[in-house]
Amino acid sequence: SQTIHQWPATLVQPVGSPLSLECTVEGTSNPNLYWYRQAAGRGLQLLFYSVGIGQISSEVPQNLSASRPQDRQFILSSKKLLLSDSGFYLCAWRENTGELFFGEGSRLTVL
Amino acid sequence: GDSVTQMEGPVTLSEEAFLTINCTYTATGYPSLFWYVQYPGEGLQLLLKATKADDKGSNKGFEATYRKETTSFHLEKGSVQVSDSAVYFCALSPPYNFNKFYFGSGTKLNVKP
Repeated sequence: SQTIHQWPATLVQPVGSPLSLECTVEGTSNPNLYWYRQAAGRGLQLLFYSVGIGQISSEVPQNLSASRPQDRQFILSSKKLLLSDSGFYLCAWRENTGELFFGEGSRLTVL
Repeated sequence: GDSVTQMEGPVTLSEEAFLTINCTYTATGYPSLFWYVQYPGEGLQLLLKATKADDKGSNKGFEATYRKETTSFHLEKGSVQVSDSAVYFCALSPPYNFNKFYFGSGTKLNVKP
């Protein structure tokens, strides 16, 4: 069966520091992959999605970037974090039948 | 554009009470509809789905019926438990773009013993 993992689970970073969140999917090939952000007490905002290696689509202009160096690996990055980047980041992959499956999430606090 | 509207929370119920969380949507064509649940500190888990009008999705005692005429997908459960305390998200996936998924803002449910 397919599984999806994210790490780190929790991260506290100072303003201006870099960021790297990783997501890997197992048990499937060529998945569509997604990064969402969930601000405290709010819904989900789609940040990036990828339909294949090296293919990244950005949904909103921001301080973050994404990369897909391997088929089942999706990375969220920033060169310099802002306070507003704090939130709960969720990686997801899309099943051909339509469901989104989410990872455990990464909680980022920028101080 | 496509969107999902959920009732605002928090919803507080006693154990064994009946639950309804309202969800209405705006969409072009015939979207697929979903309910997700998020427990504290965790990612979202798929609870149930429906892909066409009049379909009923069900799982773990929860049910929701795809109502095209009222553009609704209300979540119901006959008898809630303390363990059902979580945030519930209604979502839709439009038929014209596989990479789009629209979520409601979430409804927090608190169940008291």
